[in-house]
Amino acid sequence: SQQGEEDPQALSIQEGENATMNCSYKTSINNLQWYRQNSGRGLVHLILIRSNEREKHSGRLRVTLDTSKKSSSLLITASRAADTASYFCATGRETSGSRLTFGEGTQLTVNP
Amino acid sequence: GAVVSQHPSRVICKSGTSVKIECRSLDFQATTMFWYRQFPKQSLMLMATSNEGSKATYEQGVEKDKFLINHASLTLSTLTVTSAHPEDSSFYICSAFPQPWGEAFFGQGTRLTVV
Repeated sequence: SQQGEEDPQALSIQEGENATMNCSYKTSINNLQWYRQNSGRGLVHLILIRSNEREKHSGRLRVTLDTSKKSSSLLITASRAADTASYFCATGRETSGSRLTFGEGTQLTVNP
Repeated sequence: GAVVSQHPSRVICKSGTSVKIECRSLDFQATTMFWYRQFPKQSLMLMATSNEGSKATYEQGVEKDKFLINHASLTLSTLTVTSAHPEDSSFYICSAFPQPWGEAFFGQGTRLTVV
């Protein structure tokens, strides 16, 4: 079952704007990861943040984690048309080994 | 970086036939692999955990006799959809972890269409 909820479900912005996606989860976690999926393709790992971390950066990506609120956000700055994709958060729990539980995803469209 | 290769990428089969999908870890050993199913515009739904040398662990509601999983080596897991029906048409994806508690690497996915 999906424990993560993401909002918004869909987001449409113009090139150059920033995109923010949010993810909430229900149980305690070991880590939270963000993935990207282009239509009809497999998932590509973007960034992993551990439960004892609050913020992480990778290029134009910034991820925050608030374990007290059981939520995370992914910020993509200076978006490009090539960023158009579905974005999923996934949580890894201590009791589940390496198994990931995925959120519902956000469909991001960046218009040129 | 680590690579997970999934084959075939697309398959069309007739109702009642079986289809095998392969998932290989190319540059690391994976004692565990995961199989997901994804419907259009939806998230990934975990079907089963494939364990090398032992039986797979299936999620609730997934028919183990319909979705046969074999993990015969540390680099290969296979998912066989038996007696396929049109409702089995979907996108199937596998994943594996080179390191525990690290990032997962995904195969390219297999688009199965049952006609």
